[in-house]
Amino acid sequence: KNEVEQSPQNLTAQEGEFITINCSYSVGISALHWLQQHPGGGIVSLFMLSSGKKKHGRLIATINIQEKHSSLHITASHPRDSAVYICAVRWYMDSNYQLIWGAGTKLIIKP
Amino acid sequence: DVKVTQSSRYLVKRTGEKVFLECVQDMDHENMFWYRQDPGLGLRLIYFSYDVKMKEKGDIPEGYSVSREKKERFSLILESASTNQTSMYLCASSLPSARGETGELFFGEGSRLTVL
Repeated sequence: KNEVEQSPQNLTAQEGEFITINCSYSVGISALHWLQQHPGGGIVSLFMLSSGKKKHGRLIATINIQEKHSSLHITASHPRDSAVYICAVRWYMDSNYQLIWGAGTKLIIKP
Repeated sequence: DVKVTQSSRYLVKRTGEKVFLECVQDMDHENMFWYRQDPGLGLRLIYFSYDVKMKEKGDIPEGYSVSREKKERFSLILESASTNQTSMYLCASSLPSARGETGELFFGEGSRLTVL
């Protein structure tokens, strides 16, 4: 069974700080998703990556396949970045691809 | 703009009532999913569907059923609601990748169900 762990569970920072959220998994995967959930419920897909690094605006996602670890970075953080960030890994088991979800990291950015 | 629409944002039902949660996507996606989300537990897959009239159990299907009569619509049914089904329910859709992989996921806004 693949275990997905996110750290930290909660993170509070000041506006402008550089933010790092981590995701580790235990078994080799085919891809990893980073998603964002704002208060109120809706979830938005940020990145899907299987190697290297992706960047979109102030968000950067990296993955190290050998170390089974991914990070989501936010540069120049802003209060509107306050949300829950969720990592999910896609892996092949029992003749099917499955998504295993992390519990999420709650980020609060204070003005 | 891609869109996944869930019929109700907030519902309050009584124990034993039948509950329908509707989800419609306008992206012609084959894959559709129903998840529930509870504090500290993350997302848990209830049912998913890879095609019309096709359904597969997820991790926690007990107490739920689903219907996919049309490609764009995936319904979650609680035959007899119970208090432990109070939760946030999230619908998602995606295109299929090769060999049944799940591509980028698109979520609805969620339906918060309270069962009294």
